[in-house]
Amino acid sequence: NAGVTQTPKFQVLKTGQSMTLQCAQDMNHEYMSWYRQDPGMGLRLIHYSVGAGITDQGEVPNGYNVSRSTTEDFPLRLLSAAPSQTSVYFCASSEGRNNYGYTFGSGTRLTVV
Amino acid sequence: GNSVTQMEGPVTLSEEAFLTINCTYTATGYPSLFWYVQYPGEGLQLLLKATKADDKGSNKGFEATYRKETTSFHLEKGSVQVSDSAVYFCALSQGNTPLVFGKGTRLSVIA
Repeated sequence: NAGVTQTPKFQVLKTGQSMTLQCAQDMNHEYMSWYRQDPGMGLRLIHYSVGAGITDQGEVPNGYNVSRSTTEDFPLRLLSAAPSQTSVYFCASSEGRNNYGYTFGSGTRLTVV
Repeated sequence: GNSVTQMEGPVTLSEEAFLTINCTYTATGYPSLFWYVQYPGEGLQLLLKATKADDKGSNKGFEATYRKETTSFHLEKGSVQVSDSAVYFCALSQGNTPLVFGKGTRLSVIA
């Protein structure tokens, strides 16, 4: 009964480094999303997917890549980390269309120095 | 595009006080509406939802009614507890698109 699992929980990167934030769900949900949470900004959508092989950009996609090769996994890649990407990142999944709520992971706190 | 506006925080209340957190939305058609709660150091949890006009969502003593005429989904609780201290997010979803969130309202309840 794991739900949505995000790893790592904490990460410090140097400017210019790359890394992948992992997200996995075991509920066979079709929909998955990545959000970033910044003080006073709420949650902003980075990328989302409505099924394996399908991804789309959200409100703040620059500097991030995603892929969805399986239903279970939806990794978020930072190509060249910048201090502006310091944030808390949340992955979420949902069964489908808008009648369903999303289940959230516990988040990854990323600091770029 | 779709958007959600919720009241600015922080909100500080004494235990057993009445809570209202205002939320209004902009969307075409009939979105689904949600309230999420985030306790310190944790992810977001679904608190309640409503999927059509005049629906009332309720959970843990919290309620919100989907008002199409005022495009609102205000969160209420009759008697708050210290354990309700958290950040509350109003959100909407429509069609294939993921959740759109308000900026969140921090609630602090003091004993």
